[in-house]
Amino acid sequence: DAMVIQNPRYQVTQFGKPVTLSCSQTLNHNVMYWYQQKSSQAPKLLFHYYDKDFNNEADTPDNFQSRRPNTSFCFLDIRSPGLGDAAMYLCATSRARISSGGAEQFFGPGTRLTVL
Amino acid sequence: GDSVTQMEGPVTLSEEAFLTINCTYTATGYPSLFWYVQYPGEGLQLLLKATKADDKGSNKGFEATYRKETTSFHLEKGSVQVSDSAVYFCALRRGAQKLVFGQGTRLTINP
Repeated sequence: DAMVIQNPRYQVTQFGKPVTLSCSQTLNHNVMYWYQQKSSQAPKLLFHYYDKDFNNEADTPDNFQSRRPNTSFCFLDIRSPGLGDAAMYLCATSRARISSGGAEQFFGPGTRLTVL
Repeated sequence: GDSVTQMEGPVTLSEEAFLTINCTYTATGYPSLFWYVQYPGEGLQLLLKATKADDKGSNKGFEATYRKETTSFHLEKGSVQVSDSAVYFCALRRGAQKLVFGQGTRLTINP
């Protein structure tokens, strides 16, 4: 089945130690997104790629970076994780926008990050 | 800017009860509207959507109708099951790719 895969599902890191979360997709979608979701809150968009075009949200901290080496993979790098970065990180994909109605976003299962 | 407001949770019902989760939105133009469901420990799954006024989205017994006159997209189900326990998010997207989510409503169904 075509899907969005996130690895690992659970990640533990130490305060200030760089960490990378990965996302892969078999849907061949043009757009890939990273969201941060803290406990009992709505997902918050960090950034997205439209093909190779990177789009950062204005309030995303510089501590968060992303790479998309090819259509299938996208990485979230947290350069110096703080305690406040502990959250669920969700990857999503969609086809390129073809109308004002837009295209459905497909979400992965998420990676829960713990910062010690 | 665009925004989505959902009824505050948590909502607790008995099995086979009728469910309504209210959602209203603020946006210019004609956004697409969505309901996503998040089961414990998992990512979001699209439950249903509607892309224009008076459209009704439906899936797994859930329904929601796009009401432009009241800027609403309330989620309903006639008879809930224990397996429907989850967090439900209403969302909109207007033209661009960015989804705007409501704050989520936690639903618990007791046997």
